[in-house]
Order: sequence, then C-alpha cells, then structure tokens
Amino acid sequence: GQQVMQIPQYQHVQEGEDFTTYCNSSTTLSNIQWYKQRPGGHPVFLIQLVKSGEVKKQKRLTFQFGEAKKNSSLHITATQTTDVGTYFCAGGPSGTYKYIFGTGTRLKVLA
Amino acid sequence: SAVISQKPSRDICQRGTSLTIQCQVDSQVTMMFWYRQQPGQSLTLIATANQGSEATYESGFVIDKFPISRPNLTFSTLTVSNMSPEDSSIYLCSVSDSPYEQYFGPGTRLTVT
Repeated sequence: GQQVMQIPQYQHVQEGEDFTTYCNSSTTLSNIQWYKQRPGGHPVFLIQLVKSGEVKKQKRLTFQFGEAKKNSSLHITATQTTDVGTYFCAGGPSGTYKYIFGTGTRLKVLA
Repeated sequence: SAVISQKPSRDICQRGTSLTIQCQVDSQVTMMFWYRQQPGQSLTLIATANQGSEATYESGFVIDKFPISRPNLTFSTLTVSNMSPEDSSIYLCSVSDSPYEQYFGPGTRLTVT
C-alpha cells in the first residue's frame, strides 16, 4: 500500500536556526497537506499544495511540492520556541478524501 | 473552520469492556473520519463515517471491533469493543468539507488495563 515517509524523525535546533523536514511518498499524490501537532495537542492544518512544483509561504514557513508530486518539504526560517511540535505531511491520491499521514518529524527548539 | 468536541477526553477501561466515543461538530460537514494515534506515532485512519450508511473501514479495521455511527451531518460515534491493552491509544475524529483541509477534534485518550 501507499507509504509516506518523513525525514528526519527528530530534530533539535538552537533558536534562530533553520529547520527542514522532507516528505516522500511511494506513489504519486494529487495533493499534499501539512499539519502541526503541539505536544499534548491535536493536529492543526497548516497548508495544502496541489500543483506540481508549487511553493507557498506562510511568514517563516515555506512549503514545496515536488515536480513529480511524490515529495514535499517544509522549511522554517529562524526557528522560535513556538515552533516546537511534530510536523506531519499527509498525502492524498486523486479522487478521494482519504489521506495517508507521514511518519512525522518532531522538532525541539532550544532557547 | 469547524469547532469539534469529543467525549470523553480520556478514560481508563478494563479489558473486555467497550467504550463509545462521541464527536460533535458545530456545523454540518460532508466528511467525518476516525483516526488512531499511538503516543509518539503518526495517525492511522480507522474509517470514514458515512451519514446514513455503513462506515468505510481501512485495512486492518473491522466493524465488529470498531462500530461507527453517523446519524446526521454533525455527529458521529466510534465504539471500541472488547478492549485489550493493545487498544490503548488516542482516538481522534476529524471533519472535512472540502477536498483537502481536515480539522481535528481534541482527541480521546484511552487506557485499557
């Protein structure tokens, strides 16, 4: 079945450093979503990407969808302690509402 | 975005018993989903709750173990039946009214002893 892997599994950074998590699907995706889950919280929707090669920005966060629509990345510039949490990508095959969540990347930011 | 509540927020149950989790949304939504998340792990889709018809289960999940109801467009229940310690997990409902965005409830933390 479809698998969505993320690397790294864990990342510790000093506050102010940049951070990137990569998402790779075993199959082509029609779109991809990114979620953030704070410790003890539930996943919160961040953004969706639909087009091949699409790049979107939200303040310090930059999201990219690969040309082949099988991979994606999330880059955070100048991390802050509020960025702490686990970041999940979720890939969806075409014609369905169902999404396969990636393995997640847990980010810790050291002040 | 929709406001989603879940009851109970947490419970400790004995092996062999059943627990019903409720998910209530403040507006009508097209799609409702149930997920399971082991501590520190990713989310696994259990089933799609269909209004007025049987839920659609993912591989590895069966109706006898996880019966789901969805009587209307704002409410759904998930029952975890004949529980064992392996069922200890966080159970999350989510809703979607567009092809992409999902909004999650706060989750139900279940511990089976």
